[in-house]
Amino acid sequence: DAGVTQSPTHLIKTRGQQVTLRCSPKSGHDTVSWYQQALGQGPQFIFQYYEEEERQRGNFPDRFSGHQFPNYSSELNVNALLLGDSALYLCASSFGGMNTEAFFGQGTRLTVV
Amino acid sequence: KQEVTQIPAALSVPEGENLVLNCSFTDSAIYNLQWFRQDPGKGLTSLLLIQSSQREQTSGRLNASLDKSSGRSTLYIAASQPGDSATYLCAVDPSGNDYKLSFGAGTTVTVRA
Repeated sequence: DAGVTQSPTHLIKTRGQQVTLRCSPKSGHDTVSWYQQALGQGPQFIFQYYEEEERQRGNFPDRFSGHQFPNYSSELNVNALLLGDSALYLCASSFGGMNTEAFFGQGTRLTVV
Repeated sequence: KQEVTQIPAALSVPEGENLVLNCSFTDSAIYNLQWFRQDPGKGLTSLLLIQSSQREQTSGRLNASLDKSSGRSTLYIAASQPGDSATYLCAVDPSGNDYKLSFGAGTTVTVRA
């Protein structure tokens, strides 16, 4: 049984560009949450998707947007990249809109130059 | 706003010594608390989940306690091994209509052989 799958694992972008990160949840899970983890910090909540709707959003600007598809996979889009967006982006999947037994993917390391 | 603090930020011990990692949180209205392990540049692996009604949870050499009223949790790792070297993060899952996990910045553990 595949766990949470994120792609790509690493990417490098230039300031001002746009990026799309992808997440496939663990089989049987219907809820996807995205987190940003800067070096040496704990993960910070970006938003959660449940039933294809953005259910809750953290303190991130509108440059960060997302989507959840009918198969529960999700995308995170970041526009107008800034150097400060360089971080590890983590996807967590769970069931029923809850965080109980949340499973995390291996993350996407984004470097903005 | 929930604030989660982990002390110490880093810890280095000889192999065989017991580890004690601390986590404190400011809002006691929690649903559960989770401890995660993170290897460098990788995702999060769930270690233990303690429901708000529980006082402790055990898995092998790991034991986590929860004192909700005082806003504290402690992770004990018995007889540490070099393979235990990693960053340990605690995360609070709030009760009510708040769906984000609030993380501490982690404790980085080095177990010397």
